[in-house]
Amino acid sequence: EAQVTQNPRYLITVTGKKLTVTCSQNMNHEYMSWYRQDPGLGLRQIYYSMNVEVTDKGDVPEGYKVSRKEKRNFPLILESPSPNQTSLYFCASSPKVSVPGYEQYFGPGTRLTVT
Amino acid sequence: GEDVEQSLFLSVREGDSSVINCTYTDSSSTYLYWYKQEPGAGLQLLTYIFSNMDMKQDQRLTVLLNKKDKHLSLRIADTQTGDSAIYFCAEIGRGNKLTFGTGTQLKVEL
Repeated sequence: EAQVTQNPRYLITVTGKKLTVTCSQNMNHEYMSWYRQDPGLGLRQIYYSMNVEVTDKGDVPEGYKVSRKEKRNFPLILESPSPNQTSLYFCASSPKVSVPGYEQYFGPGTRLTVT
Repeated sequence: GEDVEQSLFLSVREGDSSVINCTYTDSSSTYLYWYKQEPGAGLQLLTYIFSNMDMKQDQRLTVLLNKKDKHLSLRIADTQTGDSAIYFCAEIGRGNKLTFGTGTQLKVEL
């Protein structure tokens, strides 16, 4: 089954404790992206990757890191989480970002709480 | 700037039509999208419209685009309880960047 998986789905952690949220897709997609969803703000892009070893900042990259060593995986790293990073995080992938009418496939989301 | 705005809530009765509105600012947008997010799930693409079209119909869904006013709407005919979700409009503008709106929570009441 074609899908985007994220782990963990739920995470409660404390300020300053490094964490990684994994994202994996089995569709051989080139483009992958991370978003955070906050009430009243919609989805805001954190980082994206056009292909292996190519990553770029989105709208809200501060406090986050990513890597794209393999096509299928795009982990999101919070080196020193803070309470303002409490949010719902989504990973997404698509075949190519520039294909007209392309669809982004979303993972199920990771709800992160930083105390 | 690239702002995409939507009203936060909409409540309709089952069987009525729902109209969800969206305004955007990037006049170079080539494609505009509607995504649906059901509770506890990620977003799924519902439909999209190319910027040179005024209207697109797909079963119960009708998308209207007014380029002059930069206004996009999604009409759901015969709204059902299964349509309760958050609906996001999104646009592709300069640099092929996909920008999402704030989302509209649709509540369908019996």
